[in-house]
Parts: sequence; structure tokens; C-alpha cells
Amino acid sequence: NAGVMQNPRHLVRRRGQEARLRCSPMKGHSHVYWYRQLPEEGLKFMVYLQKENIIDESGMPKERFSAEFPKEGPSILRIQQVVRGDSAAYFCASSPSGTSGGPGQETQYFGPGTRLLVL
Amino acid sequence: QKEVEQNSGPLSVPEGAIASLNCTYSDRGSQSFFWYRQYSGKSPELIMSIYSNGDKEDGRFTAQLNKASQYVSLLIRDSQPSDSATYLCAGGGASNTGKLIFGQGTTLQVKP
Repeated sequence: NAGVMQNPRHLVRRRGQEARLRCSPMKGHSHVYWYRQLPEEGLKFMVYLQKENIIDESGMPKERFSAEFPKEGPSILRIQQVVRGDSAAYFCASSPSGTSGGPGQETQYFGPGTRLLVL
Repeated sequence: QKEVEQNSGPLSVPEGAIASLNCTYSDRGSQSFFWYRQYSGKSPELIMSIYSNGDKEDGRFTAQLNKASQYVSLLIRDSQPSDSATYLCAGGGASNTGKLIFGQGTTLQVKP
């Protein structure tokens, strides 16, 4: 049973370019979460999505960042006009359902992450 | 104010000893708690989840939850060098609408 898949695993961008990070949830999971981990810091929630819906984007920076989870295909985290401060590990996690599904259904499993380096 | 707090460590224990990792949280609406292990340069790996007051055991790991004290802990028995990693405590559910709030993590070093 394949786990959460993320690509690319490493991404190098120059300042001002766009970064697109992709995440395919585990089979049977319909909920996707994105987290960012800055060097020597903890994991910070960014956004929570279901198919074609953004459920909670309270952790997303107000500008340059967007996320989607289309009906078909992976979830995408998009960072426009990257700056050096965007350099971090971006992790995607998935769960079978959200909190309404009862204990265990919201357990999140993480992908391998995308390490973004902005030069 | 941080919502989930952990002592960053490092916590150093000898091989075979019990490692005790602690976490406190501020949101009384949190219903579920998780412990993840993260090796350097890797992604978080789920170790335990706990939803009810009391203890939950899985192999060498025991999670403890005390909602009245807003306290979560993880005990690792018979610690092995391979347990050396950063342990992340996370709270979720209810008012957090599905997202997890992570602590800073505690670095555990198990010395042979």
C-alpha cells in the first residue's frame, strides 16, 4: 500500500521564480494537509484541503502562496516569486477523513517532503 | 503564546533505560494527541495516538494523557540507539478543525 507521495523531493529555485510542490495522498485518503518546517524549527500548519475544497488555510502566508486539491490529480502547493525565506522542508500529510470521522480517522501520515532551496 | 510546548532537550539516556518525553498544551478543545518521531533530514513518522485519559501501550512505547492537567507524555522502555531522534508532540481535533499543532520537538539521544 503506497504511502503519501511527494515530488519533487528536492527543488532549487532562484529568487522570483515559481515553485510547485505536488502531493498524492495515501490510497483511500481524501484529506490533505500541508506543513512547513523551517531550519531548526518545528512543523507549522499551512493548509487543509479536501477534494476541490479548502477547509482551513489559516496557516498560509497572505501573499504568494496558494494550494489546491483538484478532483483529479495530486494536491499542489504553489509559491510564486519565491524569496530566500521560503527555503524550508514542505511536508504533505493525508488522513482518511477529518475530525468528523471519529477517533483515528483524522490520523495524519506524512510524505517524505520536498526540500526547497531558494538561491 | 505557544499552543503545544515541549522541552527541546537534548534528553540523554543510556541504552536500556526508560526515556520520558513530556508535552503540555493550552487548547482545552483538543481531543486527539499524537507522537511522531523524526530522524534528521527525514519526515515525521507516527508512533502513537491517544484520545482518552490514561495510558496507551504499544510495544516499548506508552503514551499518557491527562486532560485535566493538559499534559501528554511518551515513555520509551528499553531505549535503543536507534531511538535517537526528535520526538514531536501534536494536538488536534475540535477547535483545531483537523490541523495538527506541533510542539518544537524533543531531541532524544540514547547512548550505547
